[in-house]
Amino acid sequence: DAGVIQSPRHEVTEMGQEVTLRCKLISGHNSLFWYRQTMMRGLELLIYFNNNVPIDDSGMPEDRFSAKMPNASFSTLKIQPSEPRDSAVYFCASRAQNTEAFFGQGTRLTVV
Amino acid sequence: AQKVTQAQTEISVVEKEDVTLDCVYETRDTTYYLFWYKQPPSGELVFLIRRNSFDEQNEISGRYSWNFQKSTSSFNFTITASQVVDSAVYFCALSEVGGSQGNLIFGKGTKLSVKP
Repeated sequence: DAGVIQSPRHEVTEMGQEVTLRCKLISGHNSLFWYRQTMMRGLELLIYFNNNVPIDDSGMPEDRFSAKMPNASFSTLKIQPSEPRDSAVYFCASRAQNTEAFFGQGTRLTVV
Repeated sequence: AQKVTQAQTEISVVEKEDVTLDCVYETRDTTYYLFWYKQPPSGELVFLIRRNSFDEQNEISGRYSWNFQKSTSSFNFTITASQVVDSAVYFCALSEVGGSQGNLIFGKGTKLSVKP
């Protein structure tokens, strides 16, 4: 398996634009996590899914952020409209039940 | 509510020194998992170890060892004879099995610098 795959690896966008981050899970994994990492706040959990169902989205900063799992192997995190304070590295991770999570390489988002 | 505390923000050692990274956790669940991850300067997050709450045996893997103590809610990580390649940010994480259905929460991380 190729591991968790995130795209794009880098994204630079202008304030106000819509940004979509993508994540492909490892085959057979049933949990999906989205994290945001910044120097100030560390690694924050934004949302996680079990079996395609969102379980906890309390970490989503505000309504500008939304996440979906249209199927068992794929997820998107959308920011609309984007703001400079959204600049961060966004990681997704997947795991099988009660095992360790495997992380993608991350997407470095810069909003100017 | 679950919480992971890594009180040491940064640690600097000289090569070949031993170093211990502290992790203290809070949970109401009796069944949970603890993890350590490494984030080298290249940025990826690398899994190191997983322990479940019923297994308090210490574990050793080469120069790495882990000390899990439920009585103090701690899961500390020791690197023996540190090397420059150990320089990274190390994260401790907690996953509850019960009510939160598998949430995975990380501590703030400890940045380890190993100098030659």
